[in-house]
Amino acid sequence: DAKTTQPTSMDCAEGRAANLPCNHSTISGNEYVYWYRQIHSQGPQYIIHGLKNNETNEMASLIITEDRKSSTLILPHATLRDTAVYYCIVRFPYTDKLIFGTGTRLQVFP
Amino acid sequence: EPEVTQTPSHQVTQMGQEVILRCVPISNHLYFYWYRQILGQKVEFLVSFYNNEISEKSEIFDDQFSVERPDGSNFTLKIRSTKLEDSAMYFCASSEVGRGDTQYFGPGTRLTVL
Repeated sequence: DAKTTQPTSMDCAEGRAANLPCNHSTISGNEYVYWYRQIHSQGPQYIIHGLKNNETNEMASLIITEDRKSSTLILPHATLRDTAVYYCIVRFPYTDKLIFGTGTRLQVFP
Repeated sequence: EPEVTQTPSHQVTQMGQEVILRCVPISNHLYFYWYRQILGQKVEFLVSFYNNEISEKSEIFDDQFSVERPDGSNFTLKIRSTKLEDSAMYFCASSEVGRGDTQYFGPGTRLTVL
């Protein structure tokens, strides 16, 4: 699986958009970009995933650059409950395992 | 919304004892997984399971670990002889179809080995 690089931590004001970047410069053509988050020590929560097109769901938007070497997860209106560790995972479609890195610790403040 | 459930939420055991961690995957899901997270460390893949067989396993998943789907709803992880270093959060996950599909995680079981 391609390695990802994320900032260790970020802050965001409540109500503002949180933009979480991820670099995956060694991604290959059939590897997907997945985002999960983990609140305290709870189980990882699936957020969104994409291959090359931008994606949006009720939780977030995923913007993948045209060369696919980086992506940004956007939480459009961050709330205090969005405070969590966010993991960007690049996943080969023919493997079972998700490889988690250390993620970005997002702190949303009032 | 369907979710993965796990029991117990916290298990305390003595070193050398056997423990069984239980999971109820989402009902129409066919693939099941176990991950663990030692305190302060990354979430690590242990094993995947499909059609009553292990599909993939990591180096961590050695002979002291086993998985089973004893009935149509439960999925279990057994640790035969626990060690201090087995203390961790254990997460079960499931996915609807095969490799590459989105995995949904349960809340975890905190295992403490004394």
